[in-house]
Amino acid sequence: GAVVSQHPSRVICKSGTSVKIECRSLDFQATTMFWYRQFPKQSLMLMATSNEGSKATYEQGVEKDKFLINHASLTLSTLTVTSAHPEDSSFYICSASGTTKNIQYFGAGTRLSVL
Amino acid sequence: LAKTTQPISMDSYEGQEVNITCSHNNIATNDYITWYQQFPSQGPRFIIQGYKTKVTNEVASLFIPADRKSSTLSLPRVSLSDTAVYYCLVGVNTDKLIFGTGTRLQVFP
Repeated sequence: GAVVSQHPSRVICKSGTSVKIECRSLDFQATTMFWYRQFPKQSLMLMATSNEGSKATYEQGVEKDKFLINHASLTLSTLTVTSAHPEDSSFYICSASGTTKNIQYFGAGTRLSVL
Repeated sequence: LAKTTQPISMDSYEGQEVNITCSHNNIATNDYITWYQQFPSQGPRFIIQGYKTKVTNEVASLFIPADRKSSTLSLPRVSLSDTAVYYCLVGVNTDKLIFGTGTRLQVFP
């Protein structure tokens, strides 16, 4: 099956720093990628939709200047949490969809802890 | 976007068959029904997908009635490792998927 690689799996940073998370589709071209965040014991919450070569579409309540998304190629999307604060600590997950199958494949997630 | 409704939790014992039903009354004509499994601190893992009738793969079966307003994920002979949260989603792959609460399945020895 299709593989989506997400890196890093865990990051700990100081408040005020920026953190970049990468999401790669390893064996297929991802025309669309999605970014989610998940708090403990809660469901996934969609943050934004990323299409290759165009600006991301953010969900209501998600600050686009806080969570920068870049989808520069058909296999890579990045999420940068700028000036991270403790309330940004969460589990961030990406997913990708290709053109051959009607399935979204998910990365393993990134645990962000902001001190 | 179709909204889904699932039981919040279910308990089972090893070796039993588990059926999790999902309601999606507003499913659109182009929507597929997809089930994912999620373990703690991991991303969701694709289990099975269907459009209508019945689909079976090596891990599960998916039953979809003619009106497609619900679906049932069937897990045969569950084991302890099947303890996870199961999400039912409807949509097409290029559209955003809205996750509901999911069903937390606990399998006991």
